[in-house]
Amino acid sequence: AQSVSQHNHHVILSEAASLELGCNYSYGGTVNLFWYVQYPGQHLQLLLKYFSGDPLVKGIKGFEAEFIKSKFSFNLRKPSVQWSDTAEYFCAVNAREYGNKLVFGAGTILRVKS
Amino acid sequence: NAGVMQNPRHLVRRRGQEARLRCSPMKGHSHVYWYRQLPEEGLKFMVYLQKENIIDESGMPKERFSAEFPKEGPSILRIQQVVRGDSAAYFCASSPQTGGDQPQHFGDGTRLSIL
Repeated sequence: AQSVSQHNHHVILSEAASLELGCNYSYGGTVNLFWYVQYPGQHLQLLLKYFSGDPLVKGIKGFEAEFIKSKFSFNLRKPSVQWSDTAEYFCAVNAREYGNKLVFGAGTILRVKS
Repeated sequence: NAGVMQNPRHLVRRRGQEARLRCSPMKGHSHVYWYRQLPEEGLKFMVYLQKENIIDESGMPKERFSAEFPKEGPSILRIQQVVRGDSAAYFCASSPQTGGDQPQHFGDGTRLSIL
């Protein structure tokens, strides 16, 4: 069965610190990869996505993620976080062979201290 | 530019009652997905529907749960004879076309509490 692992459930950073959130998945076939963010009291919003091509993808608000096929990873990065980045971040994987459904990681709660 | 609309935002039911959760997809979207989030867990896929058709229900519990997306009106997720373990946040998402590369747009969710 497909699974998605997010290594850190809670992360606390100071403003201007660099961020890297890990995401690994278990499926060996062709995948589409997503990072979603949920700000307090809001719905999930798409941060960025990877389907094919350049494995380094850039998203909104200065986020980027790198797909490393050999490591089954899609880690999220931001060079300098802001207090407004406080939110929960979800990695999600769609295995093309299994249709349209997304398999989500458990989420990482990021708190940025001002 | 209304996004995905879910109602109610909060729903309280007693054990044994029925819960009905509604989802109106974004304008122009004909594909609807339901996910469930239990405390401290990620979202788990339940069902994928197109208008009048269930495409993938591999994540739906075999009993008490059903979903529909009629030709007219919102998609409905129905839970009959609710139990405490049904307490969760239920999220609906929609996309304009089929294909796993189509980003899914999410609603605010319905928080279901079972007394």
